[in-house]
Amino acid sequence: SYELTQPPSVSVSPGQTARISCSGDALPKQYAYWFQQKPGQAPVLVIYKDTERPSGIPERFSGSSSGTAVTLTISGVQAEDEADYYCQSADNSGAYGVFGGGTKLTVL
Amino acid sequence: EVQLVESGGDLVQPGGSLRLSCAASGFTFSTYWMSWVRQAPGKGLEWVANIKEDESEKYYVDSVKGRFTISRDNAKNSLYLQMNSLRAEDTAVYYCVRGHRTSWFYFDYWGQGTLVTVSS
Repeated sequence: SYELTQPPSVSVSPGQTARISCSGDALPKQYAYWFQQKPGQAPVLVIYKDTERPSGIPERFSGSSSGTAVTLTISGVQAEDEADYYCQSADNSGAYGVFGGGTKLTVL
Repeated sequence: EVQLVESGGDLVQPGGSLRLSCAASGFTFSTYWMSWVRQAPGKGLEWVANIKEDESEKYYVDSVKGRFTISRDNAKNSLYLQMNSLRAEDTAVYYCVRGHRTSWFYFDYWGQGTLVTVSS
């Protein structure tokens, strides 16, 4: 089955830039989406279609894509950004969904 | 305002069955793909199944094929997940999720989830 690969954890100090990668063979064909999840809460979409930011999401969140990898970048990280982040997409057929394993962002 | 409200989560014994429901409001339910996504305690998100607007297409993650059935009733604005032959590894919070008009796997709205616990 198709998989998306993320690093388990990323740590940054406040004000620094955090980058979370996600790789998968179908990413050149299928858009990627990024979710933020805080404990006890439902996931919140922070990036859609690789690079687009939903209304209400701070400008410090951005997405990029290159080949079989996509990256979520959080510029000027704030304490409130500490959360789990998941990339999500679909397989080459477009019929089956998939999530990355998640990355825990720690703000030091 | 789009709302998705799940119900039906419960404690069930291994091998048992459970039916989850999701009541949708605030949008034209019959024109959107819908999905179920789950999250085991302390674990990551896992897409479980999806269903097309008219039920003509349904897809499942391998681990639930043959045990779970996704369905919908557009007249009642409701999504369902029938879960049979439940296993301990099915223990999770189950989320009802809407797919955006432009792509079924653009998950733009989520419910708050319902907890399924499979244990003896």
